[in-house]
Amino acid sequence: TQLLEQSPQFLSIQEGENLTVYCNSSSVFSSLQWYRQEPGEGPVLLVTVVTGGEVKKLKRLTFQFGDARKDSSLHITAAQPGDTGLYLCALQGAQKLVFGQGTRLTINP
Amino acid sequence: DAGVIQSPRHEVTEMGQEVTLRCKPISGHDYLFWYRQTMMRGLELLIYFNNNVPIDDSGMPEDRFSAKMPNASFSTLKIQPSEPRDSAVYFCASSRTMNTEAFFGQGTRLTVV
Repeated sequence: TQLLEQSPQFLSIQEGENLTVYCNSSSVFSSLQWYRQEPGEGPVLLVTVVTGGEVKKLKRLTFQFGDARKDSSLHITAAQPGDTGLYLCALQGAQKLVFGQGTRLTINP
Repeated sequence: DAGVIQSPRHEVTEMGQEVTLRCKPISGHDYLFWYRQTMMRGLELLIYFNNNVPIDDSGMPEDRFSAKMPNASFSTLKIQPSEPRDSAVYFCASSRTMNTEAFFGQGTRLTVV
C-alpha cells in the first residue's frame, strides 16, 4: 500500500489549459514537498508546505496543503509545454523522505 | 558546488555480475540518500546515511544490495550478483538536514541483461 497516493497518474492537456493534480495520504504529515522531474534528470524541489491550509504560489503554480495536513494539491494555470514532466509529492515522516508515484504531465503545443 | 555527482550515467551488465554505483554528495550536506526509480514502483528509498553512518536500510531489497559511505564525500551502492529485475534508475541525493531540500544527482540507468 502506497503511503502517498497521487492522482491522476497521467495527464495530457493542451497548452493554455488549467489543471490540478493531487497528493493524498491516510496519515497526517508534518510537511510535504513537491518536486518536478524532467526526463534524464533527478527530481528538483519546487516547494515545501508545512502549515495546514497553507497556500504557496510559484509563478503559475499554486500549491495548497489541506487543513488536516493529509492532502495537498498543485494547480497550474495556463499550462505551457515547459511544464511537461513528472510531478512528485514527498512526505517527511519517521526520519524518511517518502515519495508518491507521481503524476506524469504532458502539455501539448 | 557542482551538485550531487553520480557515476556512471549508464551501466549495462550481464546477470550475475557485480555492479558498483558511485555518488559524491554536496559538500557540507550531512544526509545522503539512495533511491531506485522504476515505472512500476516509482521512487523508492533504499538506504540513507547521516554523517556517514547508515541510519535506515529497510528499503534495501535483499542481501545482494549493500551500501557504504567511507567518508563525507563518497558513497557506493553495490549489487552482487545483479539480476534483470534490478534494472532501474538509481538516484543519489543529499541534504543539509533531514527536513531541508534534497538535491538529486542525475541518476545511473542500470540495465541488467
